[in-house]
This record gives sequence, structure tokens and C-alpha cells, in this order.
Amino acid sequence: DTGVSQNPRHKITKRGQNVTFRCDPISEHNRLYWYRQTLGQGPEFLTYFQNEAQLEKSRLLSDRFSAERPKGSFSTLEIQRTEQGDSAMYLCASSPQRESLREQFFGPGTRLTVL
Amino acid sequence: GENVEQHPSTLSVQEGDSAVIKCTYSDSASNYFPWYKQELGKGPQLIIDIRSNVGEKKDQRIAVTLNKTAKHFSLHITETQPEDSAVYFCAASSHQAGTALIFGKGTTLSVSS
Repeated sequence: DTGVSQNPRHKITKRGQNVTFRCDPISEHNRLYWYRQTLGQGPEFLTYFQNEAQLEKSRLLSDRFSAERPKGSFSTLEIQRTEQGDSAMYLCASSPQRESLREQFFGPGTRLTVL
Repeated sequence: GENVEQHPSTLSVQEGDSAVIKCTYSDSASNYFPWYKQELGKGPQLIIDIRSNVGEKKDQRIAVTLNKTAKHFSLHITETQPEDSAVYFCAASSHQAGTALIFGKGTTLSVSS
């Protein structure tokens, strides 16, 4: 399967714990995005990478959130000191390198439940 | 910033009927408008998109129209089938590749046979 993959698919944690999610984009896609989706809402943008550079961050990305894409391939999203309000689906998307190609292809998401 | 409104929030149709979902956007600089279908437990799947230099685009039973003057765009599904049942999201982005998508709140489409 050459689509975007995300791991784990589900994560249950206790409030205050740290969690880390991984995203593997479509091969050769140099643009990578993280979104958060809560129940009954559309995805909300968190952050964007072009290769290894983090070029844009949303105000939703509090200090407890950090994202990396060290070699310009896979990316990780870490949430420190989780809160119940962090419970959501975390989606990763990737996009081709060519400027004219705007399509963003989403992975299956990681569903986080904070108890 | 950009704001995308989507209507209706739920839509129920009989198999074979047409379904129309409408979205409006606020940022006149927006120039790319994709539509996504999301099934339960899955990530959004891109089904069609349109850029601001065209007014309509079709792909088999799916079509999207764009009215830049009124700042609204619509998804049309003809000859609906039960497998079309899902949540549909419209989105908009501006400027250039790499810009975040701003999504509507979604429309839950139910197609009954």
C-alpha cells in the first residue's frame, strides 16, 4: 500500500502522560501536514512541513505539542502532559512536491483518548 | 482568516436521487477547493477538487461548481448509491501549495435503498 500510514491507530492514555504518534507520508511527497479532528467537526490544521523544515504552525499547537520531521521523510507528533481536551483524531496528510499539485492525501488517523 | 461554512449538516436521500452540498468561503484569495469523503473510522478521502480558474468539474457521478463572485461552491452527486453514505467535507485554501486546508463542519449523507 503506497498511501499515508499512521501509527498507532488507537492510543488510550491517562491524563498527564506523554504520547507520540508517527506518520509515514506517500513516498517522495515532500510536504507533510498534521491536523486534529474532534467529533462532529472537520479537520483543523496543526502544522506543516516542507521536507524537514517546519514552515507553519497553528495557534492550536500549544507548547505541549511538538512535531518533527528529522530527515524529511516520516514525522512524529508528541503531546506532553496530555489533557482530556486533547482527545481527538490526529490526522496526517502529504502532498506532492510540484507547486502546481495542491492535493493533500490523508492517512487513517490516530485516535487518542485521554482518561 | 478563512472561514468555510457548509450546509446542510445532514442529508437523507433515496437511492438514485441526487444530492447537493453547498459551501461558502470568506477569503477572496482562496483558489483551491477540494471535497473529501470520510467513512467511519477512516481518514478523509479526496474525491474531487476545483481551482479558481474553472467554474465546473465532473468526474463520473460527481461534479463540483464554483462561483467566485458569490464565494460559494457546491458538490453534486447524481444517481446516489448506498455506498455514497458517508460524511462529506468541503475545504478551501489560498495562495499556493503548502497552505493549510480550512474545512467545513461536514455533511452526513445517508442514502437509503
